Amino acid sequence: DAGVIQSPRHEVTEMGQEVTLRCKPISGHDYLFWYRQTMMRGLELLIYFNNNVPIDDSGMPEDRFSAKMPNASFSTLKIQPSEPRDSAVYFCASSSRTEANQPQHFGDGTRLSIL
Amino acid sequence: AQTVTQSQPEMSVQEAETVTLSCTYDTSESDYYLFWYKQPPSRQMILVIRQEAYKQQNATENRFSVNFQKAAKSFSLKISDSQLGDAAMYFCAYRRPLTGNQFYFGTGTSLTVIP
Repeated sequence: DAGVIQSPRHEVTEMGQEVTLRCKPISGHDYLFWYRQTMMRGLELLIYFNNNVPIDDSGMPEDRFSAKMPNASFSTLKIQPSEPRDSAVYFCASSSRTEANQPQHFGDGTRLSIL
Repeated sequence: AQTVTQSQPEMSVQEAETVTLSCTYDTSESDYYLFWYKQPPSRQMILVIRQEAYKQQNATENRFSVNFQKAAKSFSLKISDSQLGDAAMYFCAYRRPLTGNQFYFGTGTSLTVIP
């Protein structure tokens, strides 16, 4: 079975540019999570969705960040405009509530570098 | 709110020896799940082992085992016969099964395996 698929794997862009990160969750999973990982702050939950609806976006750092989930098989995390402090690894993960003992399944992450 | 604490930012172990990574959590729930994830330099988040709180028996997966002490809210990971490939960041995670499906992660322990 295909796991969580994220793209791109690496992104390097200049400050001020718009960045869009993409995620395809595991088929049948009804929860999707976006995390940011940095050395200083560790793994931070940014936002999560249930059945395509945002449930908790309290971890989104500021208005420059936005996330959407137009359907059950696709989500985006957008940063506009990007800043050097946004440089981090961004993970997408999915899980199923009906499988209570199942872990979150993570994608391979997107390493984002803002110059 | 649930919190997960990993008090050892870094640990090291000699190859073939045994090491124990600590994790404590704070919760008022009686039913929950606990996980250990491994993140090697490739940055993938890999599930190592899981434990259901209602089970008294400690989970084991080959060389990996846990010491789950529910009353003490402690969930340590023991790695036996350590191998070079065990070198990674290890994250402890807590999940409430009934509400929100959110996972709470610790800050991680970086494990070095010395040849």
